[in-house]
This record gives sequence, C-alpha cells and structure tokens, in this order.
Amino acid sequence: SSELTQDPAVSVALGQTVRITCQGDSLRSYYASWYQQKPGQAPILVIYGKNNRPSGIPDRFSGSSSGNIVSLTITGAQAEDEADYYCNSRDSSGNHRVFGGGTKLTVL
Amino acid sequence: QVQLQESGPGLVKPSETLSLTCAVSGYSIRSGYYWVWVRQPPGKGLEWIGSIYSSGSTYYNPSLKSRVTISVDTSRNQFSLKVSSVTAADTAVYYCARERWFERDNYMDVWGKGTTVTVSS
Repeated sequence: SSELTQDPAVSVALGQTVRITCQGDSLRSYYASWYQQKPGQAPILVIYGKNNRPSGIPDRFSGSSSGNIVSLTITGAQAEDEADYYCNSRDSSGNHRVFGGGTKLTVL
Repeated sequence: QVQLQESGPGLVKPSETLSLTCAVSGYSIRSGYYWVWVRQPPGKGLEWIGSIYSSGSTYYNPSLKSRVTISVDTSRNQFSLKVSSVTAADTAVYYCARERWFERDNYMDVWGKGTTVTVSS
C-alpha cells in the first residue's frame, strides 16, 4: 500500500478552482512534487519544492503544504487540465521514493 | 535539451529477466543527478522502481529490491534496468527519468516517453 494517499477522483467546473490533496506522515519532513499525466503520455512535472513551477507550466498551477497534507491547486481550471495527477515524495526512511495512488481530474 | 529514450524487448517470458536501457542525450550522466526507473501497470498508478546516482549508488523499492538491478554506463551515457523472475504482474509501461535530489526535496524533471513491456509465454 502507498504511504501517500490521494483521492481517486475529483471534478471541477470549467474556470473554477480545484484542490488536489496528498496525505502522508513523511510530508511533515519532505516536500512533494506533482506530476500531470494525460492518457497515453508520460508524466510531466508541474510543481516541486515549496511552490515552484518548471518553465512552461501555467501559473494557474500552485502548491501548498500544511502538516502532513500537501495540495496542488488549479485556479481557473481549463479543459486541457483534465488528467491524472500524482504526488511523489519519500517514505519514512528518507531514501525511498513513493508515489501517491493518483487523482483523476475531470473538468466539467 | 535533455532527452531520455527507453529501449528493450517488448515481450518477455515468465521467469525470465526483463532488461531495459535508457539513453540520455543533451546531458552527461557523470555530471550528477539521480537517474530513475518508474513503471505503470495497465490502468494503474505510477510505481517507483529505483534510482541510481552517477557514482553508482542505488536505492530500490523495498517491494522489488530482491529482483531489481539498476546500473549506469557513463561511457555510453546510459543507465539500465534488470528485473529477474518476471511474472504477469511485471507487465507495465516502463519510464526512465532524471531526478534532482536535495536534503528535503526531490523531483523528476525530465522523462522518457516510456516503453511497454508485456510478460507472456
């Protein structure tokens, strides 16, 4: 079983704001990174560190953290944001990486 | 522009060893970073398999550690994955990626396109 827990599915109306969460004890000690994956494609990094976006990622994507929960927020969701989103961090050992189970985002 | 490309057999027989290679272009592996293998079974989520540093130090997913070997070939600028004694459960899309590692942060910033491996007789 994954040490990072995500809601399996979330939906958002076009143009509205959605928050996708990832919960795990190790998140009190380590940052998480977030990945977007569309069908048939490789994952791409959208958020890392405290709240950093790689070049080319729209500023409607942001990250935050509180205790053992990290969140990916999409402000003004677009149709092209419909995808699976995965968080990644470390386990309690600090050396092994772990992915959350993924959240399927539907934009209505 | 850094690019990663996976290669290897698309079909492996049960009990045999799966072998994949990730060729890196646009960046020298010996310059640093961790290099990672991740897989995704059909219809399921991402699973970290293991990571190797350019020096050769490795970390493996505890659930796979007994069957997995990751190695790096700096002369060819590539790294490799071997999974022994495969079963149908090892059927997946296998991705290689580059990972940045800091004291409290790690992230995979460049990914290959993935290669599908099917375990079947």
